[in-house]
Amino acid sequence: GQQVMQIPQYQHVQEGEDFTTYCNSSTTLSNIQWYKQRPGGHPVFLIQLVKSGEVKKQKRLTFQFGEAKKNSSLHITATQTTDVGTYFCAGPGPNDYKLSFGAGTTVTVRA
Amino acid sequence: SQTIHQWPATLVQPVGSPLSLECTVEGTSNPNLYWYRQAAGRGLQLLFYSVGIGQISSEVPQNLSASRPQDRQFILSSKKLLLSDSGFYLCAWSVLEQVRETQYFGPGTRLLVL
Repeated sequence: GQQVMQIPQYQHVQEGEDFTTYCNSSTTLSNIQWYKQRPGGHPVFLIQLVKSGEVKKQKRLTFQFGEAKKNSSLHITATQTTDVGTYFCAGPGPNDYKLSFGAGTTVTVRA
Repeated sequence: SQTIHQWPATLVQPVGSPLSLECTVEGTSNPNLYWYRQAAGRGLQLLFYSVGIGQISSEVPQNLSASRPQDRQFILSSKKLLLSDSGFYLCAWSVLEQVRETQYFGPGTRLLVL
C-alpha cells in the first residue's frame, strides 16, 4: 500500500535559523497536505498543494510540491518559538480519499 | 461554521473495563468521519472511517469497534480495554472538495489504561 515518509523525525533548531523537513510518497499523489500539531494539541490543517511544482507561502513557511508529485517539503525561515510542534504531511491513497499521514517531524526551538 | 466535539477530554480506565468515546460534528451534512489513535510522540494511526450512517470501515484488527448511529455522530467503543489501548484518540471529519479532502480534527481524548 501507499507509504508516506517524513524526514527528519526530530529537528532541533536554534531560534532565528532556517530548516527544512521533507516528505516522500511511494506513489504519485493527487495532492499533498500539511498539518501542524502543537504540543498537547490536535493536528490543524495548514495547506494543500495540488499542482506539480507548486509553491505556496504562509508568512515564514514555504511549501513545495515536487515535479513528479511524489515529494514535498516545508521550509521555515527565521524559526520562532511559536513554530514548536509536530508537522505532518499527508496524501490521499490511489483509489480512495483516505489520507495517509507521515510519522511527522517534531520541531523544538532553542532560544 | 463547522465544529467538531469530542468527549471526554481525558479518561483513566482500568484494564478490562468498557470504553465509549463520542464525537459529534456540527455545521455540515454527510461528512466522512474518522477515528485515529496517536501513541505518545508518534504519528497518526487510522482506526476506522465512515462515509455514511451505519457504514464503518476498519483499518486495523483490534479490540475496538466504531459505530455511526447518526449522520454527524461517531462513537468508538471497546468491551474490554487493554493496556495497549492507551493513547490520544482523535476524531476527524472531511467533506470531499473537488476531489481534495481536507481533514479537520477534534480536540481529542487522552486515554490512560491502568
